[in-house]
Amino acid sequence: DTEVTQTPKHLVMGMTNKKSLKCEQHMGHRAMYWYKQKAKKPPELMFVYSYEKLSINESVPSRFSPECPNSSLLNLHLHALQPEDSALYLCASSQVTGHNSPLHFGNGTRLTVT
Amino acid sequence: AQSVAQPEDQVNVAEGNPLTVKCTYSVSGNPYLFWYVQYPNRGLQFLLKYITGDNLVKGSYGFEAEFNKSQTSFHLKKPSALVSDSALYFCAVRDMDSGNTPLVFGKGTRLSVIA
Repeated sequence: DTEVTQTPKHLVMGMTNKKSLKCEQHMGHRAMYWYKQKAKKPPELMFVYSYEKLSINESVPSRFSPECPNSSLLNLHLHALQPEDSALYLCASSQVTGHNSPLHFGNGTRLTVT
Repeated sequence: AQSVAQPEDQVNVAEGNPLTVKCTYSVSGNPYLFWYVQYPNRGLQFLLKYITGDNLVKGSYGFEAEFNKSQTSFHLKKPSALVSDSALYFCAVRDMDSGNTPLVFGKGTRLSVIA
């Protein structure tokens, strides 16, 4: 079992819906990440939070909006998504950014946009 | 710039035989190197990392990897494969001197262990 918890496990939403993905870790990590993964492909970095501040946005469309309410929680708010946004969304955490800290991943949210 | 290459999309090996999953990297400075495994419908799971020191790194589930600076490689190995090792394996690199540059993943290698 993973120490990074993601909810929901599955999500189906229409293109006009608003939904949120949630991620939680209690390892005291100060860096949290959102990745998008298509089938049989490596994860693609979307956002990085370091000490609850957004430090990296990899040119992600504004229909994806991250939020880090505290050091343990990370949300991804979704609005007006497109079918091509269907993917596995992975949250990860590490002790800090950079350095040699390994990433700890959650099991992801499987998102389907209809 | 940093990059990592996994030259094989698929590796097939018989149960009980040794396995190798290949990885080569490119960084400007010195590398931090990682291996992750992904089982179906799961996130990535950290296996092992190389920081400095001994070139042979031992990790979870009997896996090990050998750092070779001259060949810029970090191949993943296991002496005796299990059917349960069948999964998608990702190599990743970060330049030690690049500050907070994110981890770069290879494209992944699918390992199939046949009973």
